[in-house]
Amino acid sequence: ILNVEQSPQSLHVQEGDSTNFTCSFPSSNFYALHWYRWETAKSPEALFVMTLNGDEKKKGRISATLNTKEGYSYLYIKGSQPEDSATYLCASTRYSSASKIIFGSGTRLSIRP
Amino acid sequence: DAGVTQSPTHLIKTRGQQVTLRCSPISGHKSVSWYQQVLGQGPQFIFQYYEKEERGRGNFPDRFSARQFPNYSSELNVNALLLGDSALYLCASSLVGQSLNTEAFFGQGTRLTVV
Repeated sequence: ILNVEQSPQSLHVQEGDSTNFTCSFPSSNFYALHWYRWETAKSPEALFVMTLNGDEKKKGRISATLNTKEGYSYLYIKGSQPEDSATYLCASTRYSSASKIIFGSGTRLSIRP
Repeated sequence: DAGVTQSPTHLIKTRGQQVTLRCSPISGHKSVSWYQQVLGQGPQFIFQYYEKEERGRGNFPDRFSARQFPNYSSELNVNALLLGDSALYLCASSLVGQSLNTEAFFGQGTRLTVV
């Protein structure tokens, strides 16, 4: 994988259900993986920055895992709420170009009340 | 505390014109990065500046240039505008820049429309 890819592109989830989505990134020369939440008409907001293989991070009902050897990260949302509706972006940087950050196209999450 | 501020918020320009977008980072942040986001895609990295020096450049033509001032604010300039330059331009600041394993804070962006 040379680019950062996210799946699915969009997701509709019932309020209260849990969900997860995937970010795939180049595993060679991995440096860091970022997750952002981007609500409509607002600025992207940083959720997590992850650097270590096997790392798990949690913020409230949202958590993320990282596998740098196979080049993927999962974002989990437990008990989805309407305020979780947003586009979730992941981005990776590599040692070979640590100043260049590559974003995926995002997963658009909609929560149905 | 003020977050990252960008100006203007919206802008309409004609093909061939030049545009300057401005960004003020969070106080104390020395790194500013610029991104272009077109509908349906993730932000595309344009430039990173740290301590007033360019530290990274994305795959954009030479029509795109930027600079960072002593107060760490930054300007992005685009010359000879094309219709395809229409996009949301985002600025992000962070405490340190060379190693992008730190949290970045984004502004709300400048929506540029080229007609």
